Amino acid sequence: EIVMTQFPDSLSVSLGERATINCKSSQSVLDTSYMKNDLAWYQQKPGQPPKVLVYGAFTRESGVPDRFSGSGSGTDFTLTISNLQPEDVAIYYCQQYYNSPLTFGGGTRVEIK
Amino acid sequence: EVQLVESGGGLVQPGGSLRLSCAASAFTFSDHWMSWVRQAPGKGPEWLAIIKQDGSERYYVDSVEGRFTISRDNTRNSVSLQMNNLRADDTAIYYCARGSGWLLDRWGQGTQVTVSS
Repeated sequence: EIVMTQFPDSLSVSLGERATINCKSSQSVLDTSYMKNDLAWYQQKPGQPPKVLVYGAFTRESGVPDRFSGSGSGTDFTLTISNLQPEDVAIYYCQQYYNSPLTFGGGTRVEIK
Repeated sequence: EVQLVESGGGLVQPGGSLRLSCAASAFTFSDHWMSWVRQAPGKGPEWLAIIKQDGSERYYVDSVEGRFTISRDNTRNSVSLQMNNLRADDTAIYYCARGSGWLLDRWGQGTQVTVSS
């Protein structure tokens, strides 16, 4: 099983500033056949299901604001929220879909300072 | 707009069974892997199972293998999760999710399952 480790557990950021969330996988999630990382980032707000923001480590899902950006490869990944907005208050999860079982990180709670 | 609507949740005693269903619409259901994911109160999501487009492949997380069975009916655009021998730690919101490959790109709103005597 690939273990996904996220840090920090929580983050307090001022409006308009940058939030950076890190995720580390216990083994590489790079699919060398297609040279893509099977790594997604989700946003979850209270009472809602998770919503995919980024997949393939850096591709934004349609409709996701460009202040959300993903980076990294192999085992180390980052989600950056630039210009933090009030509606970005949520819990963010990384997840690998490279192999079974699909696994999630423990989540990072982002709040406004 | 893609819709996934779960049903079948409720209160069940330990050792009991429950069958969850998920009705899909507004996309070609038979083109997609489908998954079930759960989320216990105050915890992160836990992926449970996935089924291939034609039902020929199924994979499970160890904690439910042998107790839960995922199935699908492409004629009814639905995916199900049969849950047997339920335990208190199976209490959670259960979501079905569409796969784009194995990426979980659309989720339903979930159905609550509570296991308690």
